[in-house]
Amino acid sequence: QSVLTQSPSASGTPGQSVSISCSGSSSNIGSNTVSWFQHLPGTAPRLVVYKNNQRPSGVPDRFSGSKSGTSASLAISGLQSEDEADYYCAAWDDGLSGVVFGGGTKLTVL
Amino acid sequence: EVQLVESGGALVQPGGSLRLSCASSESTLSSRWMHWVRHAPGKGLVWVSRIDSGGSETNYADSVKGRFTISRDNAKNTLYLQMNSLRVEDTAVYYCAGARFGRNGMDVWGQGTTVTVSS
Repeated sequence: QSVLTQSPSASGTPGQSVSISCSGSSSNIGSNTVSWFQHLPGTAPRLVVYKNNQRPSGVPDRFSGSKSGTSASLAISGLQSEDEADYYCAAWDDGLSGVVFGGGTKLTVL
Repeated sequence: EVQLVESGGALVQPGGSLRLSCASSESTLSSRWMHWVRHAPGKGLVWVSRIDSGGSETNYADSVKGRFTISRDNAKNTLYLQMNSLRVEDTAVYYCAGARFGRNGMDVWGQGTTVTVSS
């Protein structure tokens, strides 16, 4: 059972937009910033959003993040086949004194 | 571009020990928090441990506390994870990661090293 809660799956067709949600609590998302990672099993995870809504260089502006209270979201617009991957949210947890990840959302591009 | 290369993964029996290493291609990571994150088969990413830039402050997930020790040698641009009293449930691909953007903004990752705990 992950500390941060994500829906296990999401899907969309090429060109569509999709949103992935992440729910936490006052000790993690409520008081710290959220990062989002893209992961294809067997490869290195990739940071796509940090500090709630900032994109590292090289990440397309189709990826955007937001946070409200104890929840966060990752939105991907103009879906492309290469976006198919597992997506994880993460935040520092003050009570646990560590990083907590969501359980991951498997994004399928139909 | 900074590269991280993990090594040390192996097949080990329950109760055994391993030391993972993570070598960096440059010294810029010496200013960053460094983390270990693992991915067990069919499961999600799980944070294991982190160490601050100077190596004096560390944190661990409850599942590994007292068994794993994270350390770093900035002179050698290398991060370590000493793993003792290994359990079957520690089986996973272990990734090292450097955080440039805050405590959980891990922007550089290695390709992972596989630890299998089995009798």
